[in-house]
Amino acid sequence: DAMVIQNPRYQVTQFGKPVTLSCSQTLNHNVMYWYQQKSSQAPKLLFHYYDKDFNNEADTPDNFQSRRPNTSFCFLDIRSPGLGDAAMYLCATSRDQRQGSYNEQFFGPGTRLTVL
Amino acid sequence: AQSVTQPDIHITVSEGASLELRCNYSYGATPYLFWYVQSPGQGLQLLLKYFSGDTLVQGIKGFEAEFKRSQSSFNLRKPSVHWSDAAEYFCAVGARAAGNKLTFGGGTRVLVKP
Repeated sequence: DAMVIQNPRYQVTQFGKPVTLSCSQTLNHNVMYWYQQKSSQAPKLLFHYYDKDFNNEADTPDNFQSRRPNTSFCFLDIRSPGLGDAAMYLCATSRDQRQGSYNEQFFGPGTRLTVL
Repeated sequence: AQSVTQPDIHITVSEGASLELRCNYSYGATPYLFWYVQSPGQGLQLLLKYFSGDTLVQGIKGFEAEFKRSQSSFNLRKPSVHWSDAAEYFCAVGARAAGNKLTFGGGTRVLVKP
């Protein structure tokens, strides 16, 4: 089945120690998104890629970076995690968003990040 | 900018009873509306969506939602709730004019009593 895969499902890191979260997709979608979801809150968009075009949300901290080496993979790098970065990180994909109708986003299962 | 309000943070319902979750949105142009469900520790699963056409849309798991433009609402309903429906439900609005961003409401947590 075509899907969005996130690894690992659970990640524990230490305060200030860089961490990378991974997302891959078999849907061949050209748009990929990263969301942060803190406990009992709605998902909040951090940034998205339209193909290789990176789009950062204005309020996304510089501590968060992303890489997309190819269509299938996208990485979220947290350079110096703080206690406030503990959250569920959701990856999502969608088809071309710049033409035609709005296209729905498909979500992965998420990676729960714990910062000690 | 678009926004979504889900007035009910928690709802408790008995198994077999009906369920209605409220969603109000604010957006100046044509909204693209979604309901997602999230089980504990899981990602988001799309229940249904409204883009245009018939204002009553059917989704998976027996859910339906009705778009009412005059009330800026997109309420989710299910006639008979099952214990497996216990989860968090998010209403969201997508806006092409806003760079295709998806804006979520705060969520409603549904508890199902036996």
